[in-house]
Amino acid sequence: SAVISQKPSRDICQRGTSLTIQCQVDSQVTMMFWYRQQPGQSLTLIATANQGSEATYESGFVIDKFPISRPNLTFSTLTVSNMSPEDSSIYLCSVQGRHRYGYTFGSGTRLTVV
Amino acid sequence: AQSVTQPDIHITVSEGASLELRCNYSYGATPYLFWYVQSPGQGLQLLLKYFSGDTLVQGIKGFEAEFKRSQSSFNLRKPSVHWSDAAEYFCAVGAGGNKLVFGAGTILRVKS
Repeated sequence: SAVISQKPSRDICQRGTSLTIQCQVDSQVTMMFWYRQQPGQSLTLIATANQGSEATYESGFVIDKFPISRPNLTFSTLTVSNMSPEDSSIYLCSVQGRHRYGYTFGSGTRLTVV
Repeated sequence: AQSVTQPDIHITVSEGASLELRCNYSYGATPYLFWYVQSPGQGLQLLLKYFSGDTLVQGIKGFEAEFKRSQSSFNLRKPSVHWSDAAEYFCAVGAGGNKLVFGAGTILRVKS
């Protein structure tokens, strides 16, 4: 399965600022996904990022708040914009392997907004 | 809409004891079901999955799960828990369009 490198692993940010999270995969993948895991909560899909097209956002998530780039088949970024303490979460990158639902997850970015 | 319920937020078992983590799903069609484990500071690791066929599925680390359509359940079991199994466990259902819907997770504590 694919190996994912996600950076940074953690960060503490001031409210009102933005943070860009990087997801690098060691092989070419078609579909990449970004999830949010709020404290004590489960994982919620933010958006699906396909190379060469705009990301598809889930209900409750908007591009202005969570812009995503997908410049090639091995890399994606998620930006958390104009952060507030409510954005404190773990953000995870995931990719789909050869098989349907064969997902691999990155180790996550633990974000704390103060 | 698809949903997954994990009724137990925390479970504590003694090392060497058996374990069962509960998962109930809501999905209109034949579900694709998964169990993931997340250790502190780590990403999610797939333990096992069910797509079709034999309803008793074997996974890694000695885990197994049984799909019961009549009960809409996919409970995870292990006959003898090790201290290294302490982690958070997530049940998920494939929700179509390559999406996964996750349950809220169950935190497993293992006491020696």
